[in-house]
Amino acid sequence: AQSVTQPDIHITVSEGASLELRCNYSYGATPYLFWYVQSPGQGLQLLLKYFSGDTLVQGIKGFEAEFKRSQSSFNLRKPSVHWSDAAEYFCAVGKYSGGGADGLTFGKGTHLIIQP
Amino acid sequence: GAVVSQHPSRVICKSGTSVKIECRSLDFQATTMFWYRQFPKQSLMLMATSNEGSKATYEQGVEKDKFLINHASLTLSTLTVTSAHPEDSSFYICSAWGVGAGNQPQHFGDGTRLSIL
Repeated sequence: AQSVTQPDIHITVSEGASLELRCNYSYGATPYLFWYVQSPGQGLQLLLKYFSGDTLVQGIKGFEAEFKRSQSSFNLRKPSVHWSDAAEYFCAVGKYSGGGADGLTFGKGTHLIIQP
Repeated sequence: GAVVSQHPSRVICKSGTSVKIECRSLDFQATTMFWYRQFPKQSLMLMATSNEGSKATYEQGVEKDKFLINHASLTLSTLTVTSAHPEDSSFYICSAWGVGAGNQPQHFGDGTRLSIL
């Protein structure tokens, strides 16, 4: 069965500092990997996704993530965080093919706190 | 881009009431729709997968008689929480996938916050 581990429940970063959120996955095949952000009481917003090809993926809001197969990781990074980045971040893994898609498996999330 | 509309956004009702949540794909045909549940300060957990015209497939531990899912058309799926109780209070989110949804497995709705008194 697939699984996603986000080892950090909370992370506090000063505004303007760099950020890295960790994500490790367990999956029996080549995974499709995602990072979502959720503000309190809101739905999910897709930050970026990895399907294949270049292992460094660029997303919205200045985020990027790097897929490392050897480490089963898909860490999210941002060079300089803004106070508006404070939110809950979820890493997810799924399967997709031309014939259909499976439900996503989410990590438990990392709560990002931005210090002024 | 592909848009998924979920309604209502919030429901507050008495214990024992049945509640229906709608999930619509507005600009693509959703071959498959997914229903997730998120308890406060927790992650999203897949409840069930529904393919248009077929019975939903429920994840282990999810009561199919409690959470009725209908996916009768390519643009609409409904989740009915039957005889809801306070422990059913949660954030329910749907997602949809299908031809025309672009190179992205699922598009998410904005969720429904269900509060059972």
